[in-house]
Amino acid sequence: DADVTQTPRNRITKTGKRIMLECSQTKGHDRMYWYRQDPGLGLRLIYYSFDVKDINKGEISDGYSVSRQAQAKFSLSLESAIPNQTALYFCATSDPLNTIYFGEGSWLTVV
Amino acid sequence: QQQVKQSPQSLIVQKGGISIINCAYENTAFDYFPWYQQFPGKGPALLIAIRPDVSEKKEGRFTISFNKSAKQFSLHIMDSQPGDSATYFCAASIRGGADGLTFGKGTHLIIQP
Repeated sequence: DADVTQTPRNRITKTGKRIMLECSQTKGHDRMYWYRQDPGLGLRLIYYSFDVKDINKGEISDGYSVSRQAQAKFSLSLESAIPNQTALYFCATSDPLNTIYFGEGSWLTVV
Repeated sequence: QQQVKQSPQSLIVQKGGISIINCAYENTAFDYFPWYQQFPGKGPALLIAIRPDVSEKKEGRFTISFNKSAKQFSLHIMDSQPGDSATYFCAASIRGGADGLTFGKGTHLIIQP
């Protein structure tokens, strides 16, 4: 089983709909992250969390919200999806040495 | 403002050759410089990382060269193999990466047999 599991792996949604991407990890790490990957742009940080009560905005947080339900769970929401949020989304955790472990990604298409 | 600039965008190397990918950064507060490797359909995975107190780090066929005064670092893949074909991202961060990473835009590397 993967250490960082993302669901759904693929989703097509309509403009204006609410969509949630879920992430769970079995590594026992406190730190979790959501990144967005766009072709030719690399990965950009959306939100990160050091523990259940500590959530921080990243580089591109506008239009997104997150919830840290437990140490192992960190979800990303798009309250009203728009087409330019079409991207590959990655959840990640990091260990005490700051090595980041990524999930396999969630493809989101907004039509 | 792009804080980590990566080049080239794509690279084709013959099997057995040396692949070189370069990155430049602007923020002198960066203190952690990892390289990530990503295969199609997979998430990025840490390949090798360096901190600014050393100028070079080698792990197997992979070497990071770091030039603090020039604010540049590079990845060298010796004896490149077809299995090395992937997208490579350089990254940088402050506080050792705890607040997340700032990534370059990636290099698509193809190793021709």
